[in-house]
Amino acid sequence: DQQVKQNSPSLSVQEGRISILNCDYTNSMFDYFLWYKKYPAEGPTFLISISSIKDKNEDGRFTVFLNKSAKHLSLHIVPSQPGDSAVYFCAASDTGNQFYFGTGTSLTVIP
Amino acid sequence: EPEVTQTPSHQVTQMGQEVILRCVPISNHLYFYWYRQILGQKVEFLVSFYNNEISEKSEIFDDQFSVERPDGSNFTLKIRSTKLEDSAMYFCASRRVAGGPRDEQFFGPGTRLTVL
Repeated sequence: DQQVKQNSPSLSVQEGRISILNCDYTNSMFDYFLWYKKYPAEGPTFLISISSIKDKNEDGRFTVFLNKSAKHLSLHIVPSQPGDSAVYFCAASDTGNQFYFGTGTSLTVIP
Repeated sequence: EPEVTQTPSHQVTQMGQEVILRCVPISNHLYFYWYRQILGQKVEFLVSFYNNEISEKSEIFDDQFSVERPDGSNFTLKIRSTKLEDSAMYFCASRRVAGGPRDEQFFGPGTRLTVL
């Protein structure tokens, strides 16, 4: 039962361009969403989050958009940098206690 | 900067053996989690722990699994009789507050468990 889906396993983007990572969810009770970045041999690190009362949250080069009617969120990275190359996981929660993760999207930023 | 630490980084064990994975959460955090990631698959929630008891657990977290906070600093995951399918990366995470604003979880680097 995959409640959070990331349908693109990988994405390649030229340095300086925009990276758009997508995530879909099925549980309408989810009200808090997060993006994590993961480098090989490291644990996930928190990147940005959004509450369901918002439709956009911005932090520097990173912006998360939430479309509740479509049950869809996306992460925009502008401009993309080679150091952004990593696996990106979206996660969702309905209680704050249990977080459901997607399968991840591997982003490669080409210099 | 405070961080979550996990030991060992890699654990190899024979099927049927017991393993204990150790985590030291960030010191002022109150909520603790274990996740696992089977190679190539999603990160899966196992259990959350608060106030010295399990808060939530997934269907993966069956009787073979247990968690403990034995001394106020360590947070352990025990698998009593390991199976081949327990081979995965196990991540510990901690969070500062329970309820209220949704602070993010801080993850450790993971323990790679290989069951032979």
